[in-house]
Order: sequence, then structure tokens, then C-alpha cells
Amino acid sequence: EAGVAQSPRYKIIEKRQSVAFWCNPISGHATLYWYQQILGQGPKLLIQFQNNGVVDDSQLPKDRFSAERLKGVDSTLKIQPAKLEDSAVYLCASSLYGVDEQFFGPGTRLTVL
Amino acid sequence: AQSVTQPDIHITVSEGASLELRCNYSYGATPYLFWYVQSPGQGLQLLLKYFSGDTLVQGIKGFEAEFKRSQSSFNLRKPSVHWSDAAEYFCAVALNRDDKIIFGKGTRLHILP
Repeated sequence: EAGVAQSPRYKIIEKRQSVAFWCNPISGHATLYWYQQILGQGPKLLIQFQNNGVVDDSQLPKDRFSAERLKGVDSTLKIQPAKLEDSAVYLCASSLYGVDEQFFGPGTRLTVL
Repeated sequence: AQSVTQPDIHITVSEGASLELRCNYSYGATPYLFWYVQSPGQGLQLLLKYFSGDTLVQGIKGFEAEFKRSQSSFNLRKPSVHWSDAAEYFCAVALNRDDKIIFGKGTRLHILP
């Protein structure tokens, strides 16, 4: 069974630029999560999708972050414009039912200069 | 508000020695409890989880954890560590399987040869 795929693995941008991350969940997993993991911290949930609907985006900075999950499969997370404090690892996870069965992707490490 | 505390930022043990990583949570009820491991450049992998029942939970890679309601703790243990166990370990909680997971800040484990 293929795992959660993410790309790119690394990205370096200047502040005020835009960036997008892509996630392909495990086949058949209805729930998809995006987490932000700042250095020295645990992951923090940014947004949760159930199929292509948003379940929880309470911690997503909506003035600069956006996410979509068209057709209930792949998802894209965008930051526009990026700030220095957005430097982090962005993790995507998927599950068949709930948080107790999440599988994580390898993450995208973003550096904002 | 719900919270998870991992009191030790770094722990160093010798290969072959026993290990205990501490985790305390603050929740109104008995939550879902998790331990994840993150190796450098990798996503998170679930070691074990607890919902109810036997308070001693067995996980993968020879790890176990014990839920102690009276102490609001869920400490991770391993009787004999291997060099490959060097990684960051995260304790996490959720109210139920539909709730979002809250992660602790992590404990980085170093292994001495």
C-alpha cells in the first residue's frame, strides 16, 4: 500500500513570495489533514478535510493561507504572501475514519528568507 | 484548554539501557492518547495508542506505554534501546477519534554507543 505522498520535499523562498504544497493521500482515505510543525514544536493542525469539505480550519491563518481538496483526493496548501515565521515543516496526513488511524507523509520543509 | 506536556526536551541513554519518556495531559475526561516517533527527515509514525481497557499498551518496535488516570500520565517505555531508536518522540491527545490531535513539544532521544 502506497503511503501519503508530498511534494516538494524542500522549498526555499523569499518573504512576500507565494508557495504551494501538494499532498496525495492514501487511496480511499476520506479524511485529509495539513499540519504545521515549527522547529522545536509538535505539529499543529491547520486544516482538516472530509472528502472535499472542510471540517476544521480554525487554526488556519486565512489572510495568507488557503487550502483546497478538489474531487476529494489530492490537496494543495498555499501561502501567499509568505512571512519569515512560516518557516516550518508542513505535514500532510490521511485517515480512513478518524485521528486514531492517521498516516503521515514525509513533509515539506519550507524556509522563508 | 486541553494541553500535553512532555517535561524532557532531550534525553540521553546508553544503548541497551532502559528508557522512559514522560507525558502528562490536561483534559476533562479520559482522552485518546498517542505516542508518535519522528526520525530525521521523516513523517510521524504511530508507535501506540490508548482509548480504554487495559492501561498497559503494547506498541511497535518493542515500546509500551502505561496510562495512569490518577497522575494524568501516559509514559512511554522500552526495556532496552537500540541505536536506531534515536529520534524525536511526540505524545499526543484527542478528545475522541473525530476531534483534532494536540501534540506535545516532543522529546529528542539520543543514544550513546
